[in-house]
Amino acid sequence: EEQLVESGGGLVQPGRSLRLSCTASGITFGDNLISWVRQAPGKGLELIGFIRSKSYAETTEYAASVKGRFTISRDDSNSIAYLQMNSLKTEDTGIYYCNRGWYFDLWGRGTQVTVS
Amino acid sequence: DIVMTQTPLSLSVTPGQPASISCKSSQSLVYTNGKTYLHWFLQKSGQSPQLLIYEVSNRFSGVPDRFSGSGSGTDFTLKISRVEAEDVGVYYCMESIHLYSFGQGTKLEI
Repeated sequence: EEQLVESGGGLVQPGRSLRLSCTASGITFGDNLISWVRQAPGKGLELIGFIRSKSYAETTEYAASVKGRFTISRDDSNSIAYLQMNSLKTEDTGIYYCNRGWYFDLWGRGTQVTVS
Repeated sequence: DIVMTQTPLSLSVTPGQPASISCKSSQSLVYTNGKTYLHWFLQKSGQSPQLLIYEVSNRFSGVPDRFSGSGSGTDFTLKISRVEAEDVGVYYCMESIHLYSFGQGTKLEI
């Protein structure tokens, strides 16, 4: 079964850091673009950023709201993608999802991040 | 950045009746390869979003054929031919030609 599982969320104070993980199973992880999307409480969906596959030099793109604070990386040997979040702000609170591919055809269940 | 605008923001439909959601982008979503990168998702209460339609009109695996997508350039529509109770949730359009901008979401209620 294809699956993505996010982990690493929790309660953190403003200005601190947190690292989220996205662990994949049942998919050819290295072939896929991996993205992170967040959803603030009661709000819509916002792309945080994504990392391309090795075929595309693992290049990354970020939303303006997180650029310079958040970093996405990947470990294809262990089928894990990471979201390193630094200098967290209260407005970073929300559910963080990882997903796969150009069309986001596979999503994890999300992990809650609360900055307070 | 591309701005995606959905209308309406909420929709109340009687089961068995059709529903339609519009999505307009601030720029063309047609890529140089001729493909149009507009997709639709449904997020049911308490769940992750799920892909319904990709590249304007292609139903994703397992999506009922009562869902259809159409449009071109900057104007797109998601239609449900006969709404069922399980279709309740928030629908989002999303572009993937630039930085994956989402529409604001349309809440569908029965």
